[in-house]
Amino acid sequence: DAKTTQPNSMESNEEEPVHLPCNHSTISGTDYIHWYRQLPSQGPEYVIHGLTSNVNNRMASLAIAEDRKSSTLILHRATLRDAAVYYCILKGPGSEKLVFGKGTKLTVNP
Amino acid sequence: GAVVSQHPSWVICKSGTSVKIECRSLDFQATTMFWYRQFPKKSLMLMATSNEGSKATYEQGVEKDKFLINHASLTLSTLTVTSAHPEDSSFYICSARKGSSNQPQHFGDGTRLSIL
Repeated sequence: DAKTTQPNSMESNEEEPVHLPCNHSTISGTDYIHWYRQLPSQGPEYVIHGLTSNVNNRMASLAIAEDRKSSTLILHRATLRDAAVYYCILKGPGSEKLVFGKGTKLTVNP
Repeated sequence: GAVVSQHPSWVICKSGTSVKIECRSLDFQATTMFWYRQFPKKSLMLMATSNEGSKATYEQGVEKDKFLINHASLTLSTLTVTSAHPEDSSFYICSARKGSSNQPQHFGDGTRLSIL
C-alpha cells in the first residue's frame, strides 16, 4: 500500500473548523483514501473514505485534490471530543489490510 | 450500527498464563476480522487477518503458535496469547468488516494486557 504523510500534530480551538492534511503522492488510480481516528485508550473509529469525489458524512468531509496526490479531512466544528490521533490510510481495492502510520495528533483547546 | 465488542477490556495475569480475548460483531456478520497490537505511544500493528472457518493469515514476525486465533463464526473471533510473558504486555485491538475489502473496519475498544 502506498505511503501517506501527515503532520505529527495540530491544534485547534473548540467550535472552529479543522483541516487535517494528508499527502499521498504515490497513490495509484485504484487506491481508496480512508480516515480513521483513535481517541485515548480506545480502538480506532472509522471516519470517512473516498476515491475521487469529495465525500460528506455526519462526522466529517473529505476533500480530495484533483490529482489525488493529497486530501484533507475537514471537521466543520471541532469539539473537545474530537481530540484524537487521525490516521490517513491508502487502501487498494484488493487489499485486506489497513496499514496505520503515525497519524496526526489533534489537540482541541476550549 | 456496526458495533464490535471486545472482552475483557483489561487483564492482569502472571507470567506463563494463557489469556483469551474475545471479539464479537454485535449487529452484523463479519466476513473478516483483524487483530492488532499497539505499544504505548506507537501506532497499531496488524497481527493477523482471519476469515470465518479458515486459518488466520499472520503478518511477518507474528508467531502463530504464540497467538492463536479462532474465527468460529461470522460474529466471533478469539485471540489466545499462550504462555504470556511480560514482553507480551500490550494493547490488543480487534476489528471486523462486513462485505468487500473496501468497506470500513469497525474496531473494538481494545484489551489492555499486563503480564507480571
